[in-house]
Amino acid sequence: KAGVTQTPRYLIKTRGQQVTLSCSPISGHRSVSWYQQTPGQGLQFLFEYFSETQRNKGNFPGRFSGRQFSNSRSEMNVSTLELGDSALYLCASSWAPRRYNSPLHFGNGTRLTVT
Amino acid sequence: KNEVEQSPQNLTAQEGEFITINCSYSVGISALHWLQQHPGGGIVSLFMLSSGKKKHGRLIATINIQEKHSSLHITASHPRDSAVYICAVQIQGAQKLVFGQGTRLTINP
Repeated sequence: KAGVTQTPRYLIKTRGQQVTLSCSPISGHRSVSWYQQTPGQGLQFLFEYFSETQRNKGNFPGRFSGRQFSNSRSEMNVSTLELGDSALYLCASSWAPRRYNSPLHFGNGTRLTVT
Repeated sequence: KNEVEQSPQNLTAQEGEFITINCSYSVGISALHWLQQHPGGGIVSLFMLSSGKKKHGRLIATINIQEKHSSLHITASHPRDSAVYICAVQIQGAQKLVFGQGTRLTINP
């Protein structure tokens, strides 16, 4: 069974631009959650989607948004990029929403550099 | 104060040593995860616990709900165990994970 796939692996953008990251979950998994990892703040929850609906959102500005498609693939978008958005963005999939405590499967992440 | 605290932040040991990493949390939780992150970024979920103890190979994870504390043990440590180990808690009633700052483990041959 293929694992969680994130594309692209690396991305370099300029301040003010926008970026879209993609996450394909494990086949059969319907929940996708997104996380940001920086050296200063560590890992932080961004949002979770289940059955195309956002179930929860972390404490991030509205520039960070996401969506989930009917095939459970998810995208996250960051608009008006700032230098502080440089981070490793990870997604994780599971068969059920987080409140059911189902095991998580992480992708390898997308490393975003904003210059 | 962070809701999840790990100790130590850094740990260096010799191959074969018994390793313990600790995680304390200050909120009610429904589950606790132990994660492993190698250089390059990919994260592997090692354990998900809500009570008691779990074992997988040389790895053992325990949790004490009353004391709000969990430990990850590695027996007969090996250089390939070198990684960052992260504790994450699923806050009761919420639908998001809160992470510890991680423990960087280095096992020297």
